[in-house]
Amino acid sequence: DQQVKQNSPSLSVQEGRISILNCDYTNSMFDYFLWYKKYPAEGPTFLISISSIKDKNEDGRFTVFLNKSAKHLSLHIVPSQPGDSAVYFCAASVPEYGNKLVFGAGTILRVKS
Amino acid sequence: SAVISQKPSRDICQRGTSLTIQCQVDSQVTMMFWYRQQPGQSLTLIATANQGSEATYESGFVIDKFPISRPNLTFSTLTVSNMSPEDSSIYLCSAKGGPNNIQYFGAGTRLSVL
Repeated sequence: DQQVKQNSPSLSVQEGRISILNCDYTNSMFDYFLWYKKYPAEGPTFLISISSIKDKNEDGRFTVFLNKSAKHLSLHIVPSQPGDSAVYFCAASVPEYGNKLVFGAGTILRVKS
Repeated sequence: SAVISQKPSRDICQRGTSLTIQCQVDSQVTMMFWYRQQPGQSLTLIATANQGSEATYESGFVIDKFPISRPNLTFSTLTVSNMSPEDSSIYLCSAKGGPNNIQYFGAGTRLSVL
């Protein structure tokens, strides 16, 4: 049972434009959501997170939006840069799981210059 | 944030052998985890490494195949035992130390089994 879903395996965006990466989840008990970025041959790097009590969190060019009623979150990158090209993973945690993270399948973002 | 060093970074092993992966964190952390990322797939949690006691394994993973040690708060090892080509994956160590739920990852060990 895949509780965290990233339905777009890849996304291509022009440099300077907005990148929007989407994530859906099924477990209403998830209370914390995170986005990680992963370059080839490196481990995932934490990018930004959001608590379930909020609907938006912003950090520089990165903004995460949470819609609890739709069980949907999205990551916006504005403006997109070629260095943003990577695999982006959405992850969620729930206290009853000991705060373990459940990851989505990832979305490959390509930013074209 | 925690800096996590993992070694080896990659290895090519023969079927039936075992490999031990080491993970060192630069600060004391409360929780350490081991993940596997099979080709083209997401990260799957293998187990939570518990300090001074047996690891807690996720469904589908067993101690005989993936023995884990965590002798102190900053170090853990994962052994992949009796390897087969299906074990070819990236193995990642992760740690969580603060009050939030942010986990930090090592660079991973890329394992190929022939």
